[in-house]
Amino acid sequence: AQKITQTQPGMFVQEKEAVTLDCTYDTSDQSYGLFWYKQPSSGEMIFLIYQGSYDEQNATEGRYSLNFQKARKSANLVISASQLGDSAMYFCAMREEGYNNAGNMLTFGGGTRLMVKP
Amino acid sequence: GAGVSQTPSNKVTEKGKYVELRCDPISGHTALYWYRQSLGQGPEFLIYFQGTGAADDSGLPNDRFFAVRPEGSVSTLKIQRTERGDSAVYLCASSSQAGVSYNEQFFGPGTRLTVL
Repeated sequence: AQKITQTQPGMFVQEKEAVTLDCTYDTSDQSYGLFWYKQPSSGEMIFLIYQGSYDEQNATEGRYSLNFQKARKSANLVISASQLGDSAMYFCAMREEGYNNAGNMLTFGGGTRLMVKP
Repeated sequence: GAGVSQTPSNKVTEKGKYVELRCDPISGHTALYWYRQSLGQGPEFLIYFQGTGAADDSGLPNDRFFAVRPEGSVSTLKIQRTERGDSAVYLCASSSQAGVSYNEQFFGPGTRLTVL
């Protein structure tokens, strides 16, 4: 089974509107972290936001918030007030913190391409 | 301060050739990761270093791939007898410490490898 699933290959959003990018995950670890990265056409991976599995509050960073629903194993990214510069690929990633992942490497989903329309 | 740097930014080679890709992590970061990103996909883990040693190389696809980090800083990913299927963007990331609950990985710009 896929550990990280992003079901939306592409999304359009009107400038200044909010958009939700979906992410579901699969793990048997009790302790894990969820990340969202932005990858513009230039190729670099830009960290956006982090949610720990034990965090009770949803993470927020400026216009980004993470809608964490632990029982459903979902970690959707919400971008408010979209800007043209938000057009990029967005990747959800998980770091399992159990014994078998002592190095804490990230497992990524397939990504969602977001296109902001003026 | 300076971020993670990778050289070259682009590498074109012929099938069967040997290539080396270099990663210079953020100064002081002890953990270093290599990922491979094929076109249209998310990055996939290759290998992780803690200091000089490869702590987890479970993501290396086969024995043509090898990586070193002799002094615990710069790392080189080496690919022997390259195949067309090796064409991808190779990303390097570093973090200040692995095994910490919150530990952001900082990514370099990647090396785009094309095998003709």
